[in-house]
Amino acid sequence: DAKTTQPPSMDCAEGRAANLPCNHSTISGNEYVYWYRQIHSQGPQYIIHGLKNNETNEMASLIITEDRKSSTLILPHATLRDTAVYYCIVRVAEYGNKLVFGAGTILRVKS
Amino acid sequence: GAGVSQTPSNKVTEKGKYVELRCDPISGHTALYWYRQSLGQGPEFLIYFQGTGAADDSGLPNDRFFAVRPEGSVSTLKIQRTERGDSAVYLCASRIGGGGELFFGEGSRLTVL
Repeated sequence: DAKTTQPPSMDCAEGRAANLPCNHSTISGNEYVYWYRQIHSQGPQYIIHGLKNNETNEMASLIITEDRKSSTLILPHATLRDTAVYYCIVRVAEYGNKLVFGAGTILRVKS
Repeated sequence: GAGVSQTPSNKVTEKGKYVELRCDPISGHTALYWYRQSLGQGPEFLIYFQGTGAADDSGLPNDRFFAVRPEGSVSTLKIQRTERGDSAVYLCASRIGGGGELFFGEGSRLTVL
């Protein structure tokens, strides 16, 4: 699986959009971009994933650049409960293929 | 419950002892994963089961670690002759088949004194 690079930490004001960047310059054509988050003392939680097109669900939006070498996870209106470690992972969506986690970005939402 | 259940939530043991950690996946999920997470780091893959068989055990650190899933549902991670370096949160996750979202439990925190 290709590696990703994320900033170690970010701050965001409550109610504002949180934009979390991820670089994956060696991503292959069949690798998806996945985002998970981990709130303190809990297991990781799936947020969203995409291949080429931008994706949106009830939790977040995922913007993938045209060359697919980077992406941004957007939490449109961050709340204090969004404080967590956010992991950007690239993987081939093949049967059984495991997720390989990096260190992630610690997002602190402040009031 | 509806989610992945892990027991015990906390386990304190002494160096050299044997430990078992249990994972109850979501009903109907055929794929089951074990991860280990040390403080300040992301989860580290240990082993993956598809049904009863271990499809990928490349992450097991050494032969003191072993996992089983005899009936294709509940899984047990077994650690022999525990060492202080085994202290970590052990996470279990499951998914339907081989693709899709991975659902994690809350983990079992192991402390080896």
